[in-house]
Amino acid sequence: AQRVTQPEKLLSVFKGAPVELKCNYSYSGSPELFWYVQYSRQRLQLLLRHISRESIKGFTADLNKGETSFHLKKPFAQEEDSAMYYCALSETGGYQKVTFGTGTKLQVIP
Amino acid sequence: GAGVSQSPRYKVAKRGQDVALRCDPISGHVSLFWYQQALGQGPEFLTYFQNEAQLDKSGLPSDRFFAERPEGSVSTLKIQRTQQEDSAVYLCASSFSGTDIYGYTFGSGTRLTVV
Repeated sequence: AQRVTQPEKLLSVFKGAPVELKCNYSYSGSPELFWYVQYSRQRLQLLLRHISRESIKGFTADLNKGETSFHLKKPFAQEEDSAMYYCALSETGGYQKVTFGTGTKLQVIP
Repeated sequence: GAGVSQSPRYKVAKRGQDVALRCDPISGHVSLFWYQQALGQGPEFLTYFQNEAQLDKSGLPSDRFFAERPEGSVSTLKIQRTQQEDSAVYLCASSFSGTDIYGYTFGSGTRLTVV
């Protein structure tokens, strides 16, 4: 069974400090990993996916298959980054049924 | 429409009442998903449609839950004889295809409270 673990429910950082949101997964095959974000009063939306290998809003995430991790990082936090962040996993190909973690609330302190 | 639309936004139901939640996906989106998000949890998969075909309903928690998408566009999630544990936000998401590189587009959700 596929499983996504986000160990932190809340992460508070000061503006300008580095951010790392942790995500570990378990899956027997070759997964596709995502980060979704939900800003206050907004819909859940895709932030980035590992196959794109791109930086979105300054965030990056590297898939580490050895450690089964997909941590989300940003070198300098901004106040507008405050939101709920969900790590998610799906099978490669197929119809991409997605399994979500429980989420981490990022609070950036001015 | 421009996005995924869900109605109602809020629903309060008395225990034992039947409810119906509606999802209007983005026009042309083949894939449609329903998720349940309990307080403090991440979204949990309920069911998946490809056009009008319900290809996966493995996440439906009991036979009180039923979903349909008869014409391959609008979908309805029905919960019969609601229980307090059904209280959650029900999210609908759609994508152009199951392998959409842009991921899902989510609706705003319906917050169901069973009293």
